[in-house]
Amino acid sequence: QKEVEQDPGPLSVPEGAIVSLNCTYSNSAFQYFMWYRQYSRKGPELLMYTYSSGNKEDGRFTAQVDKSSKYISLFIRDSQPSDSATYLCAMKGPNSGYALNFGKGTSLLVTP
Amino acid sequence: EPEVTQTPSHQVTQMGQEVILRCVPISNHLYFYWYRQILGQKVEFLVSFYNNEISEKSEIFDDQFSVERPDGSNFTLKIRSTKLEDSAMYFCASTPGTSQETQYFGPGTRLLVL
Repeated sequence: QKEVEQDPGPLSVPEGAIVSLNCTYSNSAFQYFMWYRQYSRKGPELLMYTYSSGNKEDGRFTAQVDKSSKYISLFIRDSQPSDSATYLCAMKGPNSGYALNFGKGTSLLVTP
Repeated sequence: EPEVTQTPSHQVTQMGQEVILRCVPISNHLYFYWYRQILGQKVEFLVSFYNNEISEKSEIFDDQFSVERPDGSNFTLKIRSTKLEDSAMYFCASTPGTSQETQYFGPGTRLLVL
């Protein structure tokens, strides 16, 4: 079983829609959860960082972590064409060294 | 806003040649990393570096790879004898000392081995 699973999409939504992106994971030791945005042929850009369970909101973005279900989500409200990118989830445990474990990324297209 | 920078943006090399990829981490950061992303695949950890030594490396990071911080600003990844399967996007990342989880990535170097 892969440690981090993420549906690659593509996901296409109209401008203004609410987008829901998800990852599941198998390692119960993961405690730090991140969402990165990656535009084509660019480096991952940190969007959200969450420790343990709960919600975190930043502008149009909300990150949710459900450790009991080993499931994390990123919600984008009022989506814009500029949100079109690949969204990567990443995670690590407190004692699992320095390496981030990435999902494969979900490709999102927001159409005007 | 400070950024991680990487050079070159693209590198084409012949199989068996040595390549050096360069990174300038964010200036007050203490931990440095290299990741790679083969086209269509997930970002994979290669190595982390702290206090002038490797702190962790993955199975990918074999004897063909080495890292160095030759001065106070640069962080390099050397591939001694490139293989076709080394073709990938290579990302450098860095973190402040107190927050290893929030790794900030550079724009990457696209390496093509022919």
